[in-house]
Amino acid sequence: GAGVSQSPSNKVTEKGKDVELRCDPISGHTALYWYRQSLGQGLEFLIYFQGNSAPDKSGLPSDRFSAERTGGSVSTLTIQRTQQEDSAVYLCASSFDRTGIYGYTFGSGTRLTVV
Amino acid sequence: AQSVTQLGSHVSVSEGALVLLRCNYSSSVPPYLFWYVQYPNQGLQLLLKYTTGATLVKGINGFEAEFKKSETSFHLTKPSAHMSDAAEYFCAVRDGDTGNQFYFGTGTSLTVIP
Repeated sequence: GAGVSQSPSNKVTEKGKDVELRCDPISGHTALYWYRQSLGQGLEFLIYFQGNSAPDKSGLPSDRFSAERTGGSVSTLTIQRTQQEDSAVYLCASSFDRTGIYGYTFGSGTRLTVV
Repeated sequence: AQSVTQLGSHVSVSEGALVLLRCNYSSSVPPYLFWYVQYPNQGLQLLLKYTTGATLVKGINGFEAEFKKSETSFHLTKPSAHMSDAAEYFCAVRDGDTGNQFYFGTGTSLTVIP
């Protein structure tokens, strides 16, 4: 597609439920990133995928968070047993290659609210 | 460790006035530096970037930024603010072409007063 597509745009879930957030990167972009943006905070790195390499999961805040990227394209971020502190905007970004020299292209994000 | 500091979480300027948004970084190697803009309910959009070469870089919408190694700064400027410039601005740093991520500042919210 022309841009990075994320769905859903908004998600309200009850505490304890699992949620799945989807990211469809720009076609041909080999690198894909997930960031979390909390109110008044900067962007917090979560996970990075590059081609067929093992993902960099160093930013995942707990084992309730996981992500996968199928076929080097679409990625799903899963949060299990959601907590109120998980409420944030989850942003996906892709880039042409791993160097980042071209910058990222961001999606519009998924606003997650845990009630 | 890499880090980015944006001085001033909120900046207000009058329409037509100079915009100056400050960014200082720390990096152990020559950095790549970026400014992104975020409009309400949208993702981040790349404004400009410095990787190598000329230290004064020009971006979209009349913005520019200068990489000053001695000051570890990459401040964003625009000579004359427009109402449409009201948004959140994020500075980001990456250690050259190493590492796996950008490090973002906490953002500066720009308000333009008519």
